[in-house]
Amino acid sequence: QLVVTQSPSASAPLGASVNVTCTVSSGHSNYAIAWHQQQPEKGPRYLMKVNSDGSHTKGDGIPDRFSASSSGAERYLIISSLQSDDEADYYCQTWGSATPYFFGSGTKVTVL
Amino acid sequence: EVQLVQSGAEVKKPGESLKISCKGSGYRFSNYWIGWVRQTPGKGLEWMGIIYPGDSDTRYNPSFQGQVTISADTSISTAYLQWTNLRASDTAMYYCARSRVIDSWGQGTLVTVSS
Repeated sequence: QLVVTQSPSASAPLGASVNVTCTVSSGHSNYAIAWHQQQPEKGPRYLMKVNSDGSHTKGDGIPDRFSASSSGAERYLIISSLQSDDEADYYCQTWGSATPYFFGSGTKVTVL
Repeated sequence: EVQLVQSGAEVKKPGESLKISCKGSGYRFSNYWIGWVRQTPGKGLEWMGIIYPGDSDTRYNPSFQGQVTISADTSISTAYLQWTNLRASDTAMYYCARSRVIDSWGQGTLVTVSS
């Protein structure tokens, strides 16, 4: 069964880097995912699509500080030079033939 | 520029009906799936259903099947989410989103159901 799993929280100091991880369930390690950011009291915002080979396609206006990579079933969102407005929930999302949208439970990123 | 613009906030009573909308612009509306996603306070994102406007192919999350109806009108590039019998538990923020690989979101419609 297709499932995406995220750790509940991640943190790093202002100006540092943080990795957010999304794990695709066994048997689906070739699936691409999308990353979405939701700042407090705002709607979700598309960040990028990440393929199993680590290639990624960003949404319009997404800063270069946001990048991605992949390793096996893991998909990573990498935020460098952390800023205070990067404090947000980050959701990964994938899709299946029977169930179009699967969302991870979200990772809360805190800037220390 | 791709944009999804949703209708405004609604306050309804239990048992009432409601139809909210999502208007797409900046792309060929018929050629992209439009999905609906629910978010309750302090909770994550939950997909409700999705429609392909070009042929009206519609899929529902089993948790919402029979509770809501999703439709689309390609002549005005608009998708809809509809209830016929609202409950207090339907109080939530609702988002529309483009594509199965979601690459654009609407701004959200807050629905409040209270007696």
